[in-house]
Amino acid sequence: TQLLEQSPQFLSIQEGENLTVYCNSSSVFSSLQWYRQEPGEGPVLLVTVVTGGEVKKLKRLTFQFGDARKDSSLHITAAQPGDTGLYLCAGADDYKLSFGAGTTVTVRA
Amino acid sequence: DVKVTQSSRYLVKRTGEKVFLECVQDMDHENMFWYRQDPGLGLRLIYFSYDVKMKEKGDIPEGYSVSREKKERFSLILESASTNQTSMYLCASSSGRRAGKKDTQYFGPGTRLTVL
Repeated sequence: TQLLEQSPQFLSIQEGENLTVYCNSSSVFSSLQWYRQEPGEGPVLLVTVVTGGEVKKLKRLTFQFGDARKDSSLHITAAQPGDTGLYLCAGADDYKLSFGAGTTVTVRA
Repeated sequence: DVKVTQSSRYLVKRTGEKVFLECVQDMDHENMFWYRQDPGLGLRLIYFSYDVKMKEKGDIPEGYSVSREKKERFSLILESASTNQTSMYLCASSSGRRAGKKDTQYFGPGTRLTVL
């Protein structure tokens, strides 16, 4: 059973469109992280959110941590083909991470 | 830059063989982790280590063991490989306590293991 549920599982959009990926859990985490993984590589950290209600921006990416620290979202504005990849959320608990199953994002040129 | 290297990118083994997967990090990190990644299941933690010679079971330790004789090296051992252990294996390391809530895991490129 996955502690963190990500939706949707797959997302295919045209370049220039916006997209949102959701990460939900019944558990409270001390922090939540988002990673992006490209084919043949390991995941790379995008952001860590720690405080309930926190919003972080990374260029065209906006990350939100829910007030109750159980859920999070990743919003990409004006997606580009370089945003293609597997997006993983992970809840942190005492240095261990619990990962969601991931959302595969494909941005078509 | 943090570098986590894994001994092989691709490995093909036969059922019943003993398999060693090696991972080395160069940032003096306290914590090291082994995950397996399967489609639709995300990353699942097999074992982790927070210090030399220390190890703790993750969520799916059955069929695996680990060894950490030196701080920079963490090995995953499949004592008798089975076909259901065919998977992508990812190693990661992190600073641990000194990073607090901002502790970041750095991943190696993965080893794709096929057991025939």
